[in-house]
Amino acid sequence: DGGITQSPKYLFRKEGQNVTLSCEQNLNHDAMYWYRQDPGQGLRLIYYSQIVNDFQKGDIAEGYSVSREKKESFPLTVTSAQKNPTAFYLCATRNKGNTGELFFGEGSRLTVL
Amino acid sequence: AQSVTQLGSHVSVSEGALVLLRCNYSSSVPPYLFWYVQYPNQGLQLLLKYTTGATLVKGINGFEAEFKKSETSFHLTKPSAHMSDAAEYFCAVSGAGNQFYFGTGTSLTVIP
Repeated sequence: DGGITQSPKYLFRKEGQNVTLSCEQNLNHDAMYWYRQDPGQGLRLIYYSQIVNDFQKGDIAEGYSVSREKKESFPLTVTSAQKNPTAFYLCATRNKGNTGELFFGEGSRLTVL
Repeated sequence: AQSVTQLGSHVSVSEGALVLLRCNYSSSVPPYLFWYVQYPNQGLQLLLKYTTGATLVKGINGFEAEFKKSETSFHLTKPSAHMSDAAEYFCAVSGAGNQFYFGTGTSLTVIP
């Protein structure tokens, strides 16, 4: 089946630990995105990538890092520098052009204890 | 610059009643507009989108939205609410570049 796979679905970590969230897609889409979702705040863009080996910061990139070594994969690392990492994280993809919609994965819920 | 405002963070309707969720946008270029639905602990699913052409757009699950340029609005409607419509709804705009801008969401409650 074509789609976007995020893993893990739920993740618990202690404060000060780095965490990597996986996002894999087989839609052959060029652009990939990471969003953070907090109650009442909608979706906020962390990073996005329009092509392999290139990515740009979004509105809330501090404390996060990404890589785009393959077209299919766009992992997000939540570092210990992120002050409030507990949130729901969503990965999305988009095909070329401005008119296409975003396709979303099922999300990963990170809880830092 | 582009932005989206969703009026009303919570909306309650009775089952069978009209659903109206409001969205206003700001865009310096011709906008592409989207409505998404999100169920708890899931990703977002596209309901409908407006890019060009007919301003009344029909989507899945009986939803539709009308693009009104003069009012900079893209309100989402459904004639008769169903219990399964209870969810979070997001309006989004995309234009120049490859970025999306989302509203803060409207939580829809359907009362039996």
